[in-house]
Amino acid sequence: DTGVSQDPRHKITKRGQNVTFRCDPISEHNRLYWYRQTLGQGPEFLTYFQNEAQLEKSRLLSDRFSAERPKGSFSTLEIQRTEQGDSAMYLCASSLGGGTYGYTFGSGTRLTVV
Amino acid sequence: AQRVTQPEKLLSVFKGAPVELKCNYSYSGSPELFWYVQYSRQRLQLLLRHISRESIKGFTADLNKGETSFHLKKPFAQEEDSAMYYCALSGGVGAIFGKGTKLSVKP
Repeated sequence: DTGVSQDPRHKITKRGQNVTFRCDPISEHNRLYWYRQTLGQGPEFLTYFQNEAQLEKSRLLSDRFSAERPKGSFSTLEIQRTEQGDSAMYLCASSLGGGTYGYTFGSGTRLTVV
Repeated sequence: AQRVTQPEKLLSVFKGAPVELKCNYSYSGSPELFWYVQYSRQRLQLLLRHISRESIKGFTADLNKGETSFHLKKPFAQEEDSAMYYCALSGGVGAIFGKGTKLSVKP
């Protein structure tokens, strides 16, 4: 287990297209988080899963965003009808339990919408 | 509302000088606070947690509930400490991060 993996590392897409990102967490971690980070800002919480259940969604997560974690393993984040404002780094993190021991982050997927 | 404030965008010091990166938080319950660090071209990684009261790479941070602060300190900065530092608050759901402080340690 080499940590949290995210794929792809970079994605350039045209406005209006759909994109999907994948995250593979540390296998022992039952919680998985998605964050978005734009230039000059810290990571902003989007959503999290405990096992396969999506327990919380930020108001930042518009109807165009959907996330899944089938079988409580890897997770996907899909953005439909992308807009230029969706351009950002999308970070995935995982933790054991409620995060008392902190999160382990992936390298992120940088999305550019042109 | 839960909030984390890092008032300094950039902190520049000379090697060997003391460093203090400020973090203030707003939270109604018992917070769990963390410092994360991101070195150039590397992923965000956990530096330390307030509950462990540990020193990592010479850095320490003390939770001051009266002042709602969790400042990160190091007595003698090294060039390899240059990085982005983020303070984070975990309130049971997704952690909330500050905007970060870029630490630049000059030779």
